Amino acid sequence: AQSVSQHNHHVILSEAASLELGCNYSYGGTVNLFWYVQYPGQHLQLLLKYFSGDPLVKGIKGFEAEFIKSKFSFNLRKPSVQWSDTAEYFCAVNAPGGGADGLTFGKGTHLIIQP
Amino acid sequence: DTGVSQDPRHKITKRGQNVTFRCDPISEHNRLYWYRQTLGQGPEFLTYFQNEAQLEKSRLLSDRFSAERPKGSFSTLEIQRTEQGDSAMYLCASSPGGAGIGTEAFFGQGTRLTVV
Repeated sequence: AQSVSQHNHHVILSEAASLELGCNYSYGGTVNLFWYVQYPGQHLQLLLKYFSGDPLVKGIKGFEAEFIKSKFSFNLRKPSVQWSDTAEYFCAVNAPGGGADGLTFGKGTHLIIQP
Repeated sequence: DTGVSQDPRHKITKRGQNVTFRCDPISEHNRLYWYRQTLGQGPEFLTYFQNEAQLEKSRLLSDRFSAERPKGSFSTLEIQRTEQGDSAMYLCASSPGGAGIGTEAFFGQGTRLTVV
């Protein structure tokens, strides 16, 4: 079974600071990787996804993530955060065709951006 | 609204009662998923359907839980003899993917269950 580890449970940054949220997964086979965001009072929304190809993927709102297979990592980055980025961020993985089509999520990172 | 719809949004029930939640996926999405999320945790996978067939169930899905998707459209999740530990947000998601294809899942707002 796969698992996902998010290293930072709470992150507080000032506006315009750079952001990197760590995500590591454990699974030996081919995986799909996702970052979801949950703004206060809203449902989970997809930020970006990696299925194959270029390991550097760009998502909405200026977010990007890099898949490093050798490190089993899929870290989320944004060069300059805004107050509106305050939210809960979840890394997730699944292994379609490997008997694990459902997503396995990390515990989440609560990001607070101070104006 | 063409998103995933869940009903009710909130449910308070007494311990030992049965509850049923409904999920309406995005039209023509053939995959439907149920997740459970407790405070401070990420969503945990419970089960999923490909059309009307239930293809995968988590160990979290005890025998008090049952899910159906009778016509391959909406789905229901029933919890029998609720326990306080069942208190959580129950999330539904849908995706258009076929078997072996990676596609994103679209989530609903969830049903918050409180067992008192």
